[in-house]
Amino acid sequence: GESVGLHLPTLSVQEGDNSIINCAYSNSASDYFIWYKQESGKGPQFIIDIRSNMDKRQGQRVTVLLNKTVKHLSLQIAATQPGDSAVYFCAENMDSGGYQKVTFGIGTKLQVIP
Amino acid sequence: EPEVTQTPSHQVTQMGQEVILRCVPISNHLYFYWYRQILGQKVEFLVSFYNNEISEKSEIFDDQFSVERPDGSNFTLKIRSTKLEDSAMYFCASSVRRLNTEAFFGQGTRLTVV
Repeated sequence: GESVGLHLPTLSVQEGDNSIINCAYSNSASDYFIWYKQESGKGPQFIIDIRSNMDKRQGQRVTVLLNKTVKHLSLQIAATQPGDSAVYFCAENMDSGGYQKVTFGIGTKLQVIP
Repeated sequence: EPEVTQTPSHQVTQMGQEVILRCVPISNHLYFYWYRQILGQKVEFLVSFYNNEISEKSEIFDDQFSVERPDGSNFTLKIRSTKLEDSAMYFCASSVRRLNTEAFFGQGTRLTVV
């Protein structure tokens, strides 16, 4: 079964509102969690990551929250813009014995309503 | 802004044929990766490459797959005898450091096996 998954396949948000995209993971040994943005016809684009020893990290208009107790990851986008419309997916990275294993989630499609 | 470039953007091949997907990573990057994304499914890690050898590979990366860095700029993925289930979007990525969370992705090559 999948170790990383997303609760909502599609999220529609009014322009200017905040967006919250959620992700559940199951591997408590993961070191890093990453959020990617994938626009139609393009490759994944790194947005932000967070180490497992942190619970919050902020970037430009984005914030990632990590709740290890319930194995939950979220991406908050402030003042959502039409250019934010894309598929967002999380990934977990485990560094084990010098080897890295990255597992991706399926994704949530964010639709921004102008 | 430097970017990872992939060619071709779309490749159609007959089942059983060999294909080579090409990538030009960002010039000062040292770590190179291939991922695939079957239509409608999650991104899957295939292989990572460093110092002219494979550093990690997934269970997907079987004997039908090989990677090569034939010169100082190209990074290729070869599939020896394509199967229908190899149809997917293949993404190349590169990073400066070993941590693949910082990887930059190319726009992908869509492989269609008929």
